[in-house]
Amino acid sequence: DTGVSQDPRHKITKRGQNVTFRCDPISEHNRLYWYRQTLGQGPEFLTYFQNEAQLEKSRLLSDRFSAERPKGSFSTLEIQRTEQGDSAMYLCASSSGLEETQYFGPGTRLLVL
Amino acid sequence: DAKTTQPPSMDCAEGRAANLPCNHSTISGNEYVYWYRQIHSQGPQYIIHGLKNNETNEMASLIITEDRKSSTLILPHATLRDTAVYYCIVRGYSGGGADGLTFGKGTHLIIQP
Repeated sequence: DTGVSQDPRHKITKRGQNVTFRCDPISEHNRLYWYRQTLGQGPEFLTYFQNEAQLEKSRLLSDRFSAERPKGSFSTLEIQRTEQGDSAMYLCASSSGLEETQYFGPGTRLLVL
Repeated sequence: DAKTTQPPSMDCAEGRAANLPCNHSTISGNEYVYWYRQIHSQGPQYIIHGLKNNETNEMASLIITEDRKSSTLILPHATLRDTAVYYCIVRGYSGGGADGLTFGKGTHLIIQP
């Protein structure tokens, strides 16, 4: 399977703990996006990388959230001091410079107790 | 990016064509119309996109009106597996890079047996 992959698929944590999610984009896609989706809503854009550079951040991305893409391939999204309001599906997408259509991974579902 | 308006839900009989409308009256000349769908608990799946010409692929057809203020996604022979939330997204491109997608609430399409 050469699609976008995300790990873990599910995460349960206690309030105040830190969590980290990983996204592996489609091979050779230089653009990578993170989104968050809460129940009953469409996905909301969080941040975007072109290669290793983080080019755009949404206001939704509070200072407890940090994303990296150190070698321009996989990316990690870390949430520090999790809150119950962070419970959501975290989605990753990637696109190439030529086509720009974004292809999504299966998501990581986070539950903060 | 221009705002889109979609009906919250629609029903369609299995085997019939499903026609999903989308209004995007404020679309500008360089903005594309994209359609994604999201089956329960999965990541969004890209379906099709277009600028001003009608488009067809193995999944669906996209009909864009001449004034580009609305479009229709057509699933020619709907099956139960097509039950999903369908998102219509209008997307422009920022100079030199691609922005995050702006999802609305979409249309929940229910295929009836």
